[in-house]
Amino acid sequence: DGGITQSPKYLFRKEGQNVTLSCEQNLNHDAMYWYRQDPGQGLRLIYYSQIVNDFQKGDIAEGYSVSREKKESFPLTVTSAQKNPTAFYLCASSIEFRLDRANTQYFGPGTRLTVL
Amino acid sequence: EDQVTQSPEALRLQEGESSSLNCSYTVSGLRGLFWYRQDPGKGPEFLFTLYSAGEEKEKERLKATLTKKESFLHITAPKPEDSATYLCAVQAWQGETSGSRLTFGEGTQLTVNP
Repeated sequence: DGGITQSPKYLFRKEGQNVTLSCEQNLNHDAMYWYRQDPGQGLRLIYYSQIVNDFQKGDIAEGYSVSREKKESFPLTVTSAQKNPTAFYLCASSIEFRLDRANTQYFGPGTRLTVL
Repeated sequence: EDQVTQSPEALRLQEGESSSLNCSYTVSGLRGLFWYRQDPGKGPEFLFTLYSAGEEKEKERLKATLTKKESFLHITAPKPEDSATYLCAVQAWQGETSGSRLTFGEGTQLTVNP
C-alpha cells in the first residue's frame, strides 16, 4: 500500500534532549512537509522540501532542523532550543511542480511528542 | 498574508440534521482550497480540492462549494460517523521557492448525535 508513515506514534523526551521524528513516503512524491498542531490552533508549517537535498524554513522553524537525503525520507529533529516542543507533529507530501493547478498534500498519522 | 477563518468552532447536530460549515479566506491569488477531515489523534484525511469560484464537489453526504471569498462544506443528513474536525486550507500562487505550502484554518469540530 502506498502512503506516509511516521514513527514513533508517541514520543517522550526529557527537557534538554534532542529527538528525531521519522517520516517516510512511498508515493514517489517530490515535496514533503512538517507541520505542528496545537489544541485550538491551525496546523503551522515548520519546514518543507521540494526536492532532495533542498529544504526551506516555514513559519515556525526556530528550534527545529531537517534533512532530505533521500526522496522517500524527511526526518525532523526537535532540538533543545525549541521552547515548547510538546505538540502533535504531522508530516505530509505532495506531487510537486504542477504549475497550472494546486498540489494536494497527503498526511501521515502523526507523532505526539511530550516533553517531561 | 494569507488568512483562513473557519466557523463555527464547534457544531452539534442530530443525526439527519443537515447543516453547513464555513471557511472564509484572504489570499493574494488562490491556487486551490482544500478540505480535510481529522479524527482525534490521527492525521488529516483529504476530502476535496476546489480550484476556482463556482466549483462544486461531492462525496457521499458532503458537498463543497467555492466563491471568491469563502467555501462551504455542506453536510446532508449526517450520521454519527461524520463526527470529526473539518479543516480548511488555502494554497496561494507564490514564487517557485514557496512550493505548495498551505495555510490552515483552526477547524470546525462537528459532533453528530444519534
